[in-house]
Amino acid sequence: DGGITQSPKYLFRKEGQNVTLSCEQNLNHDAMYWYRQDPGQGLRLIYYSQIVNDFQKGDIAEGYSVSREKKESFPLTVTSAQKNPTAFYLCASTRIRAGSTEAFFGQGTRLTVV
Amino acid sequence: SQQGEEDPQALSIQEGENATMNCSYKTSINNLQWYRQNSGRGLVHLILIRSNEREKHSGRLRVTLDTSKKSSSLLITASRAADTASYFCATDAKFGNEKLTFGTGTRLTIIP
Repeated sequence: DGGITQSPKYLFRKEGQNVTLSCEQNLNHDAMYWYRQDPGQGLRLIYYSQIVNDFQKGDIAEGYSVSREKKESFPLTVTSAQKNPTAFYLCASTRIRAGSTEAFFGQGTRLTVV
Repeated sequence: SQQGEEDPQALSIQEGENATMNCSYKTSINNLQWYRQNSGRGLVHLILIRSNEREKHSGRLRVTLDTSKKSSSLLITASRAADTASYFCATDAKFGNEKLTFGTGTRLTIIP
């Protein structure tokens, strides 16, 4: 079945640690996105990539980094520079440009700082 | 920011009633989409309406778009308990950089 897979589902980070969230899709989609969702809030865009080896900052990129070495994969690293990383992280992909086709979402990773 | 605002933030209705949610946005758009999110899960696409369309139907869903008012509404008819979820609108700016921007969401609760 085609889809988008995020792992792990739950992640715990100690203060000062970097952690990497995985996002893989087998939909052959060109564009991939990372969003952050805080309790009771909407989605805020962290980073997005429309083609391999290229990505752009979203609205809240500080403290995060990404790579897009393969079309299928778009991992997100939450660095120690992100002061309030506890949140629900969602990865999405679209076939071509974002607005003209539906976005497919993973099931999310819940990150907690301990 | 292009981020949209959904209204109301929360809505509770009896099963079988109709539910209406509204979305407002700030700049001209190419398309507007509605998504559904069950608690703690990813979002699921419901419907897309293009900027040159005024109304669109899909099953029990009806979406309207008023580009002059920069607003959209989502109507769910004959609601069911399984419709309980959060609903988000998403837009891409007409002269933007092809990113999808989400609103703040409406939390819908259907009371059996």
